[in-house]
Amino acid sequence: AQSVTQLGSHVSVSEGALVLLRCNYSSSVPPYLFWYVQYPNQGLQLLLKYTTGATLVKGINGFEAEFKKSETSFHLTKPSAHMSDAAEYFCAVSPNNAGNMLTFGGGTRLMVKP
Amino acid sequence: EAGVAQSPRYKIIEKRQSVAFWCNPISGHATLYWYQQILGQGPKLLIQFQNNGVVDDSQLPKDRFSAERLKGVDSTLKIQPAKLEDSAVYLCAERGLGTGELFFGEGSRLTVL
Repeated sequence: AQSVTQLGSHVSVSEGALVLLRCNYSSSVPPYLFWYVQYPNQGLQLLLKYTTGATLVKGINGFEAEFKKSETSFHLTKPSAHMSDAAEYFCAVSPNNAGNMLTFGGGTRLMVKP
Repeated sequence: EAGVAQSPRYKIIEKRQSVAFWCNPISGHATLYWYQQILGQGPKLLIQFQNNGVVDDSQLPKDRFSAERLKGVDSTLKIQPAKLEDSAVYLCAERGLGTGELFFGEGSRLTVL
């Protein structure tokens, strides 16, 4: 069984500030972890993913996430927020790298203030 | 690269009516998914196809939902009869070759009154 919890359904930051979106997971097998972004009225787009190897993963648009097994976390960060980052972000877990059996968290809406 | 076209983008129906959504994966990759995304929640898998065959439909409410994938490319998702709680965005996705990444369409937003 697997599940994902995203702490904070809404996060608001000022432009240029650090972005931190939290994700904790539970999985009975070694997890594969993903972050997707959804802009208004659009489908989900992959930001980054952790499969094996390096625990710090870099993605598109300056985002990165660190897999911490001891904390069962995969938090998403960006050093400096941009207005265009305003969107909904979903963390997801899968038992394999094939994208099957993907379980999503409830999402975090990021708002960026000028 | 992959792309997924969905139609219609928006649909409003009354409860007990029927509705159908279409998914056209431009790249025609083997694995196709339908997800349901209720407002304020993450997407939930309804059904997964591998070519024409169903791999996982354990979360599909089979008494009212049905899906098919003809010729291993396009797919349709039907709801009959619709209930108020079916109001959601229905997302279609295909899996990229060798990457495990899912490519999502823009979704079909259903409102049941």
